[in-house]
Amino acid sequence: LAKTTQPISMDSYEGQEVNITCSHNNIATNDYITWYQQFPSQGPRFIIQGYKTKVTNEVASLFIPADRKSSTLSLPRVSLSDTAVYYCLVGNNQAGTALIFGKGTTLSVSS
Amino acid sequence: EAGVVQSPRYKIIEKKQPVAFWCNPISGHNTLYWYRQNLGQGPELLIRYENEEAVDDSQLPKDRFSAERLKGVDSTLKIQPAELGDSAVYLCASSFDPLNEQFFGPGTRLTVL
Repeated sequence: LAKTTQPISMDSYEGQEVNITCSHNNIATNDYITWYQQFPSQGPRFIIQGYKTKVTNEVASLFIPADRKSSTLSLPRVSLSDTAVYYCLVGNNQAGTALIFGKGTTLSVSS
Repeated sequence: EAGVVQSPRYKIIEKKQPVAFWCNPISGHNTLYWYRQNLGQGPELLIRYENEEAVDDSQLPKDRFSAERLKGVDSTLKIQPAELGDSAVYLCASSFDPLNEQFFGPGTRLTVL
């Protein structure tokens, strides 16, 4: 199972871009990289998923280098409401390598 | 579209008592997950269903935990008997298939006294 390593916490201010990097040195060929966001007293919410290069949606971008041993979630112009825990997951349920949540990164955004 | 529904939202029981959690996934979602989340930790997968078949239950403590997903829709997770260490939030999630994003319910917060 691919293990992920993320910073425990990060601090930012409103309007800044936040980049959260996740290391996954033993990612398998069939594994995808998925990020979830969790607010207190709620279940996690899907943010973005990618396999290689760059993926962008309406809330975030995901950058994956060619060796795929790490990935970076980029949140543009964060607001107070982006304060949450962010989880990086690596795996492929279809191939039998379950997605495993680590401890995540607690992002605190201040005004 | 309704999201994943879980009940109850909160449950307080004494140790050694049984408890059950119910989950109704999003309509059309074939994959259903049960997770346990301890305070300050990420969710830990307990069991994953593909329709009515449990395809990954390696982390389910089978001596006291059981789960079922009759007819491949709703699911129930049971603990009997509960122990103090079972206090946690139990999350249910569903997805269209194993590769697609998971949609989580609000969870059931269990307190065992």
